[in-house]
Amino acid sequence: EDQVTQSPEALRLQEGESSSLNCSYTVSGLRGLFWYRQDPGKGPEFLFTLYSAGEEKEKERLKATLTKKESFLHITAPKPEDSATYLCAVGGFKTIFGAGTRLFVKA
Amino acid sequence: DTGVSQDPRHKITKRGQNVTFRCDPISEHNRLYWYRQTLGQGPEFLTYFQNEAQLEKSRLLSDRFSAERPKGSFSTLEIQRTEQGDSAMYLCASSPMTGGGGNTIYFGEGSWLTVV
Repeated sequence: EDQVTQSPEALRLQEGESSSLNCSYTVSGLRGLFWYRQDPGKGPEFLFTLYSAGEEKEKERLKATLTKKESFLHITAPKPEDSATYLCAVGGFKTIFGAGTRLFVKA
Repeated sequence: DTGVSQDPRHKITKRGQNVTFRCDPISEHNRLYWYRQTLGQGPEFLTYFQNEAQLEKSRLLSDRFSAERPKGSFSTLEIQRTEQGDSAMYLCASSPMTGGGGNTIYFGEGSWLTVV
């Protein structure tokens, strides 16, 4: 059965303090690894899709990378507005989500 | 804006009542999904449609839950005889239809259900 595990559950950073979020996955056949951002009370907002090991994608202060067993979301010099829950998911005909990492960035 | 639209955004209902949520997907998307999310958890898959056909249902979707997508356009999710454990955010998402199933899905803002 496909499974996604995210760590840490919560991460507290100072503004400008770079860090990484981890997503470990087990799937029978990867058809896409997705990252979403979710603000409280709202639906997940799409960030990135990665399809093969070695692939990287960037958007502003965020960079997503993919290996055969895990993905990282690197946050460079975060700002308070980056505070949110970041969700990782693996795709197929039903996309399976991890529980998310709650990121808090303090000014 | 032509994103996924959900209605109502919030619903408070008494235990035992029926509730219905509506979802309008992105217009060119053939696939439509329903997920449920509780506090501190990621979205859990409930069901998905390809055009008007319901192709998969999770075991989470008990007999009290029914979803339809008439004519392959908007979709409704009905919960009959609501229970307190049904309190959650119900998320609708859509994606284009290409082979292999690895499409990015785009979510609406969700419908919050509180059963009292």
